[in-house]
Amino acid sequence: DQQVKQNSPSLSVQEGRISILNCDYTNSMFDYFLWYKKYPAEGPTFLISISSIKDKNEDGRFTVFLNKSAKHLSLHIVPSQPGDSAVYFCATHTGNQFYFGTGTSLTVIP
Amino acid sequence: DTAVSQTPKYLVTQMGNDKSIKCEQNLGHDTMYWYKQDSKKFLKIMFSYNNKELIINETVPNRFSPKSPDKAHLNLHINSLELGDSAVYFCASSPWDRKYYGYTFGSGTRLTVV
Repeated sequence: DQQVKQNSPSLSVQEGRISILNCDYTNSMFDYFLWYKKYPAEGPTFLISISSIKDKNEDGRFTVFLNKSAKHLSLHIVPSQPGDSAVYFCATHTGNQFYFGTGTSLTVIP
Repeated sequence: DTAVSQTPKYLVTQMGNDKSIKCEQNLGHDTMYWYKQDSKKFLKIMFSYNNKELIINETVPNRFSPKSPDKAHLNLHINSLELGDSAVYFCASSPWDRKYYGYTFGSGTRLTVV
């Protein structure tokens, strides 16, 4: 029973273009959302987060958008760089529970 | 200087054996976790400890037992290993206000049961 879904297992983007990674969630009570980045043979690392009281949060090349009515969030990376190639997980939190999506593997082509 | 370190990185063992995975964090975080990433890449929480006290214990077989000797360490013991236990196990830690800072993960332990 997945609370958080990432329906695209993979995405390829040319260097310099925009990468858009999507995530859908089921529970409108979730109040905080995070994106993690994972390289092979490493643990996930925290990238950016957003509170449910906001609809946008920006950190350098990374912007997260939240659409509460659609229960949808997205991560935009502009411009994409080859070093961004990794698996990206969205996650959310309520109470003591943390839920992760299954990840989207991003490949940025030089 | 690794913030969350777990050992071993790879573990291959036979069915029926008992094994342990160790985790240590030097971030001063109060809370530590064990996550399992299965073959479908789904990260699912197993246990959470706050200041050596168990606060989350998801539905996992009781062959899995966490042990926290102090708040910087959370070890995972697995008895009578089964083929289905093969997965990558991640240790993580977080400050008390985990919502805003998320977790810091270890690099994972790939367990293969043969």
